[in-house]
Amino acid sequence: AAGVIQSPRHLIKEKRETATLKCYPISRHDTVYWYQQGPGQDPQFLISFYEKMQSDKGSIPDRFSAQQFSDYHSELNMSSLELGDSALYFCASTESGRDYEQYFGPGTRLTVT
Amino acid sequence: QKEVEQNSGPLSVPEGAIASLNCTYSDRVSQSFFWYRQYSGKSPELIMSIYSNGDKEDGRFTAQLNKASQYVSLLIRDSQPSDSATYLCAVKPGANSKLTFGKGITLSVRP
Repeated sequence: AAGVIQSPRHLIKEKRETATLKCYPISRHDTVYWYQQGPGQDPQFLISFYEKMQSDKGSIPDRFSAQQFSDYHSELNMSSLELGDSALYFCASTESGRDYEQYFGPGTRLTVT
Repeated sequence: QKEVEQNSGPLSVPEGAIASLNCTYSDRVSQSFFWYRQYSGKSPELIMSIYSNGDKEDGRFTAQLNKASQYVSLLIRDSQPSDSATYLCAVKPGANSKLTFGKGITLSVRP
């Protein structure tokens, strides 16, 4: 079965620009999580969606927003980018109520210059 | 204190040895426990999940959970150089909850 798909895989932006990251979960997975991982850090939870509704919110800056669409894919919108936003951004998906296991996509490497 | 603690690394073992990775957590309501393997610049890869006290074996990997002591461990038998990676311990309190990760421990398997 196909895994979680993320696009783009690499993104270079300048300060104050905007970026949109996309995540396509595994088939039948209805829950999506976004994580940010800085260099040498563990993944930090940003936000999650279950059945197109925001289900939990972590340390996500107000400059970021996200949503989940009817086909369960999710987009993370990032505005007024700062140098500190440079990181790997992972999306993970799971099927609610089953297994509890989260499967991660390959990630988007965002570089802000 | 971080919610999920992993013992300090890095850990270096010779090829064929047993690598033992430990993790403690502070939230007693945690229900689900996971070990992820992450190669540099890549995404975390789920290698083990455990939900009840005791041992769970999968190939060369054994996860151990002790909820009373709030620790979970991962044993890797017959370690191979390809096992060299960072191992992340993760916990979650419920079915649809976020994962909370430890800092990870870097394992190096010497040929």
